[in-house]
Amino acid sequence: AQSVAQPEDQVNVAEGNPLTVKCTYSVSGNPYLFWYVQYPNRGLQFLLKYITGDNLVKGSYGFEAEFNKSQTSFHLKKPSALVSDSALYFCAVRDAWGRGGQNFVFGPGTRLSVLP
Amino acid sequence: KAGVTQTPRYLIKTRGQQVTLSCSPISGHRSVSWYQQTPGQGLQFLFEYFSETQRNKGNFPGRFSGRQFSNSRSEMNVSTLELGDSALYLCASSLAGQGSSYTFGSGTRLTVV
Repeated sequence: AQSVAQPEDQVNVAEGNPLTVKCTYSVSGNPYLFWYVQYPNRGLQFLLKYITGDNLVKGSYGFEAEFNKSQTSFHLKKPSALVSDSALYFCAVRDAWGRGGQNFVFGPGTRLSVLP
Repeated sequence: KAGVTQTPRYLIKTRGQQVTLSCSPISGHRSVSWYQQTPGQGLQFLFEYFSETQRNKGNFPGRFSGRQFSNSRSEMNVSTLELGDSALYLCASSLAGQGSSYTFGSGTRLTVV
Protein backbone atom coordinates (compact mmCIF):
# COMPACT_ATOMS: atom_id res chain seq x y z
CA ALA A 1 0.00 0.00 0.00
CA GLN A 2 1.11 3.54 -0.67
CA SER A 3 1.73 6.04 2.10
CA VAL A 4 3.10 9.55 2.48
CA ALA A 5 4.63 11.18 5.53
CA GLN A 6 5.11 14.88 6.08
CA PRO A 7 7.05 14.97 9.33
CA GLU A 8 6.38 18.62 10.14
CA ASP A 9 2.90 19.88 10.93
CA GLN A 10 4.11 23.47 10.75
CA VAL A 11 7.05 25.23 9.13
CA ASN A 12 7.86 28.85 9.93
CA VAL A 13 10.27 30.85 7.80
CA ALA A 14 11.13 34.53 7.44
CA GLU A 15 10.31 36.27 4.18
CA GLY A 16 13.25 36.17 1.80
CA ASN A 17 14.75 33.06 3.38
CA PRO A 18 14.80 29.66 1.66
CA LEU A 19 12.08 27.22 2.61
CA THR A 20 11.86 23.43 2.65
CA VAL A 21 8.76 21.31 3.22
CA LYS A 22 9.63 17.66 3.73
CA CYS A 23 7.95 14.58 2.28
CA THR A 24 8.80 10.90 2.38
CA TYR A 25 6.82 8.18 0.68
CA SER A 26 6.31 4.47 0.45
CA VAL A 27 5.10 2.72 -2.69
CA SER A 28 5.53 -0.82 -3.94
CA GLY A 29 6.58 0.09 -7.45
CA ASN A 30 7.87 3.24 -9.09
CA PRO A 31 6.42 6.43 -7.65
CA TYR A 32 4.72 9.32 -9.32
CA LEU A 33 5.03 12.21 -6.86
CA PHE A 34 3.10 15.45 -6.64
CA TRP A 35 2.89 18.61 -4.56
CA TYR A 36 -0.31 20.57 -4.07
CA VAL A 37 -1.05 23.78 -2.16
CA GLN A 38 -4.29 24.75 -0.47
CA TYR A 39 -5.35 28.26 0.46
CA PRO A 40 -8.15 28.84 3.01
CA ASN A 41 -11.59 27.67 1.90
CA ARG A 42 -10.29 26.55 -1.47
CA GLY A 43 -9.49 23.31 -3.22
CA LEU A 44 -5.96 22.10 -3.81
CA GLN A 45 -3.81 23.61 -6.54
CA PHE A 46 -1.19 21.62 -8.42
CA LEU A 47 2.41 22.84 -7.96
CA LEU A 48 4.65 20.25 -9.59
CA LYS A 49 5.19 16.57 -10.23
CA TYR A 50 7.90 13.99 -10.70
CA ILE A 51 7.20 11.25 -13.21
CA THR A 52 10.59 10.34 -14.61
CA GLY A 53 13.84 11.94 -15.71
CA ASP A 54 15.70 14.73 -13.93
CA ASN A 55 15.46 14.39 -10.17
CA LEU A 56 15.06 18.16 -9.75
CA VAL A 57 11.61 19.25 -10.82
CA LYS A 58 10.60 22.89 -11.25
CA GLY A 59 7.02 23.99 -10.81
CA SER A 60 4.72 26.94 -10.35
CA TYR A 61 5.47 30.11 -8.37
CA GLY A 62 9.21 29.41 -8.13
CA PHE A 63 8.84 26.11 -6.28
CA GLU A 64 10.99 23.10 -6.99
CA ALA A 65 11.33 19.62 -5.54
CA GLU A 66 14.04 17.02 -5.52
CA PHE A 67 13.31 13.34 -5.94
CA ASN A 68 15.66 11.12 -3.95
CA LYS A 69 15.01 7.46 -4.61
CA SER A 70 17.43 6.08 -2.02
CA GLN A 71 15.89 8.20 0.74
CA THR A 72 12.36 7.85 -0.68
CA SER A 73 11.95 11.60 -0.33
CA PHE A 74 10.48 14.41 -2.39
CA HIS A 75 11.12 17.64 -0.50
CA LEU A 76 9.59 20.89 -1.71
CA LYS A 77 11.88 23.92 -1.83
CA LYS A 78 11.90 27.58 -2.73
CA PRO A 79 15.00 29.80 -2.68
CA SER A 80 13.24 32.90 -1.34
CA ALA A 81 9.92 32.69 0.52
CA LEU A 82 7.11 35.20 0.13
CA VAL A 83 4.39 36.02 2.66
CA SER A 84 1.89 34.95 -0.01
CA ASP A 85 3.37 31.42 0.08
CA SER A 86 1.71 30.91 3.48
CA ALA A 87 -0.69 28.01 2.97
CA LEU A 88 -1.21 24.29 3.54
CA TYR A 89 1.02 22.04 1.44
CA PHE A 90 0.28 18.43 0.54
CA CYS A 91 2.58 15.80 -0.90
CA ALA A 92 0.94 12.95 -2.80
CA VAL A 93 2.05 9.67 -4.36
CA ARG A 94 0.69 7.30 -6.95
CA ASP A 95 2.11 3.97 -8.04
CA ALA A 96 3.25 4.25 -11.65
CA TRP A 97 1.47 1.03 -12.59
CA GLY A 98 -1.64 1.60 -10.54
CA ARG A 99 -0.87 -1.09 -8.03
CA GLY A 100 -2.83 -0.41 -4.87
CA GLY A 101 -5.35 1.62 -6.82
CA GLN A 102 -5.51 4.47 -9.29
CA ASN A 103 -5.97 7.15 -6.69
CA PHE A 104 -3.51 9.50 -5.08
CA VAL A 105 -2.51 9.01 -1.48
CA PHE A 106 -1.97 12.34 0.24
CA GLY A 107 0.19 13.21 3.18
CA PRO A 108 -1.31 14.92 6.24
CA GLY A 109 -0.23 18.36 5.09
CA THR A 110 2.28 20.91 6.34
CA ARG A 111 1.22 24.43 7.24
CA LEU A 112 3.76 26.94 5.99
CA SER A 113 3.86 30.36 7.62
CA VAL A 114 6.10 32.99 6.06
CA LEU A 115 6.71 35.82 8.47
CA PRO A 116 7.24 39.36 7.17
CA LYS B 1 -10.97 27.00 -19.93
CA ALA B 2 -13.45 26.46 -17.11
CA GLY B 3 -12.17 24.74 -13.99
CA VAL B 4 -13.79 22.04 -11.90
CA THR B 5 -17.14 23.28 -10.61
CA GLN B 6 -18.66 21.97 -7.42
CA THR B 7 -22.14 22.82 -6.23
CA PRO B 8 -23.30 23.85 -3.78
CA ARG B 9 -20.39 25.59 -2.02
CA TYR B 10 -21.99 25.38 1.41
CA LEU B 11 -24.63 23.09 2.83
CA ILE B 12 -26.20 22.63 6.25
CA LYS B 13 -28.13 19.43 6.88
CA THR B 14 -29.69 17.71 9.84
CA ARG B 15 -28.62 14.33 11.16
CA GLY B 16 -30.45 11.55 9.37
CA GLN B 17 -31.04 13.48 6.18
CA GLN B 18 -29.38 12.72 2.88
CA VAL B 19 -27.39 15.00 0.62
CA THR B 20 -26.26 15.06 -3.02
CA LEU B 21 -23.17 16.96 -4.13
CA SER B 22 -22.38 17.75 -7.73
CA CYS B 23 -19.13 18.06 -9.66
CA SER B 24 -18.56 19.20 -13.24
CA PRO B 25 -15.05 18.30 -14.43
CA ILE B 26 -12.84 20.14 -16.85
CA SER B 27 -13.93 19.53 -20.40
CA GLY B 28 -12.14 16.46 -21.76
CA HIS B 29 -11.36 15.01 -18.34
CA ARG B 30 -12.97 11.62 -17.98
CA SER B 31 -11.68 10.72 -14.53
CA VAL B 32 -13.39 12.21 -11.48
CA SER B 33 -12.33 11.52 -7.91
CA TRP B 34 -13.86 12.53 -4.61
CA TYR B 35 -12.08 13.23 -1.33
CA GLN B 36 -13.26 14.08 2.15
CA GLN B 37 -11.15 16.60 4.05
CA THR B 38 -11.39 17.01 7.81
CA PRO B 39 -8.96 18.59 10.29
CA GLY B 40 -8.49 15.30 12.10
CA GLN B 41 -8.26 12.82 9.22
CA GLY B 42 -6.82 14.98 6.47
CA LEU B 43 -7.64 14.06 2.87
CA GLN B 44 -9.34 10.71 2.56
CA PHE B 45 -10.16 9.09 -0.76
CA LEU B 46 -13.81 8.29 -1.34
CA PHE B 47 -14.03 6.96 -4.90
CA GLU B 48 -12.95 7.46 -8.48
CA TYR B 49 -15.04 7.25 -11.62
CA PHE B 50 -13.85 6.85 -15.16
CA SER B 51 -16.18 6.66 -18.14
CA GLU B 52 -19.22 6.16 -15.90
CA THR B 53 -17.61 3.23 -14.03
CA GLN B 54 -16.38 3.25 -10.47
CA ARG B 55 -12.73 2.36 -10.79
CA ASN B 56 -11.64 2.53 -7.19
CA LYS B 57 -13.24 2.99 -3.79
CA GLY B 58 -11.91 4.09 -0.41
CA ASN B 59 -12.80 2.78 3.03
CA PHE B 60 -16.07 4.55 3.63
CA PRO B 61 -19.39 2.99 4.66
CA GLY B 62 -22.05 2.20 2.12
CA ARG B 63 -23.89 5.41 3.05
CA PHE B 64 -21.44 7.13 0.71
CA SER B 65 -22.13 6.50 -2.95
CA GLY B 66 -21.48 8.16 -6.24
CA ARG B 67 -22.07 8.03 -9.92
CA GLN B 68 -20.80 9.52 -13.13
CA PHE B 69 -22.85 10.52 -16.13
CA SER B 70 -22.05 10.21 -19.82
CA ASN B 71 -20.89 13.85 -19.93
CA SER B 72 -18.40 13.02 -17.11
CA ARG B 73 -20.28 15.06 -14.53
CA SER B 74 -20.35 13.29 -11.20
CA GLU B 75 -22.50 13.26 -8.11
CA MET B 76 -21.90 11.87 -4.68
CA ASN B 77 -24.62 11.02 -2.23
CA VAL B 78 -24.49 10.58 1.50
CA SER B 79 -27.51 9.00 3.15
CA THR B 80 -28.47 9.01 6.83
CA LEU B 81 -26.09 11.82 7.66
CA GLU B 82 -24.08 11.71 10.86
CA LEU B 83 -22.39 14.56 12.71
CA GLY B 84 -19.01 13.09 11.73
CA ASP B 85 -19.81 13.57 8.05
CA SER B 86 -19.25 17.30 8.46
CA ALA B 87 -16.31 18.03 6.17
CA LEU B 88 -15.06 19.70 3.04
CA TYR B 89 -15.82 17.42 0.11
CA LEU B 90 -13.44 17.89 -2.78
CA CYS B 91 -13.87 16.74 -6.33
CA ALA B 92 -10.92 16.44 -8.69
CA SER B 93 -10.77 15.67 -12.38
CA SER B 94 -7.91 14.47 -14.52
CA LEU B 95 -6.99 13.03 -17.86
CA ALA B 96 -6.48 9.30 -17.97
CA GLY B 97 -3.04 8.00 -17.01
CA GLN B 98 -1.16 7.63 -13.76
CA GLY B 99 1.07 10.59 -14.56
CA SER B 100 -1.80 13.03 -14.83
CA SER B 101 -2.30 15.58 -12.09
CA TYR B 102 -5.62 16.37 -10.50
CA THR B 103 -7.43 19.65 -10.93
CA PHE B 104 -9.51 20.26 -7.84
CA GLY B 105 -12.74 22.14 -7.39
CA SER B 106 -13.20 24.57 -4.51
CA GLY B 107 -15.17 22.00 -2.59
CA THR B 108 -18.52 21.73 -0.86
CA ARG B 109 -18.49 22.52 2.85
CA LEU B 110 -21.06 20.22 4.48
CA THR B 111 -22.13 20.87 8.04
CA VAL B 112 -24.35 18.30 9.76
CA VAL B 113 -26.24 19.56 12.82
